[in-house]
Amino acid sequence: DGGITQSPKYLFRKEGQNVTLSCEQNLNHDAMYWYRQDPGQGLRLIYYSQIVNDFQKGDIAEGYSVSREKKESFPLTVTSAQKNPTAFYLCASSIPRGGGTDTQYFGPGTRLTVL
Amino acid sequence: GQNIDQPTEMTATEGAIVQINCTYQTSGFNGLFWYQQHAGEAPTFLSYNVLDGLEEKGRFSSFLSRSKGYSYLLLKELQMKDSASYLCAVLDSNYQLIWGAGTKLIIKP
Repeated sequence: DGGITQSPKYLFRKEGQNVTLSCEQNLNHDAMYWYRQDPGQGLRLIYYSQIVNDFQKGDIAEGYSVSREKKESFPLTVTSAQKNPTAFYLCASSIPRGGGTDTQYFGPGTRLTVL
Repeated sequence: GQNIDQPTEMTATEGAIVQINCTYQTSGFNGLFWYQQHAGEAPTFLSYNVLDGLEEKGRFSSFLSRSKGYSYLLLKELQMKDSASYLCAVLDSNYQLIWGAGTKLIIKP
């Protein structure tokens, strides 16, 4: 089955530790995205990638890093520099911009709690 | 700045009809999306409008007026499983998705 997977679903970390969230897709989509969702707020874009080995900062990139070494994978690292990392993190993918409706399809999300 | 407005919360009765409004002010427009998100889960795609008018898809319909910067999602024959948040998002001139905060829909028996 085609889809997007994120792991783990729940993640707990101590303050000051870096943590990497996994995102894998087998939809053959070129574009991938990371969002953060906080209660009562819309999705906020952290990073996005239109093609392998290239990525761009979104609106709230500070304290986060990504890599895109393979088309299928777009891991997100939450570093100790991120001041308020506890949130629900969503990964999405789509066909490239201008290639159609740009509909984004989402993984199940990872809920990160920093203790 | 770019802005998407939707009501924070709405309540409706099972079997009834509800309309969720979305107004937007964005730099450019390349389409408007509606997503459904159940609590603790990922958003799932419901509809996409790029031209003015009504798009019907089963019990759900979505309307767009580009001149008014306005859209609505219409849900008919409400079922308890429709209790969820409904997210409006606009694709701007840079093909960036701008998201509203979502409307939490509560369905009562």
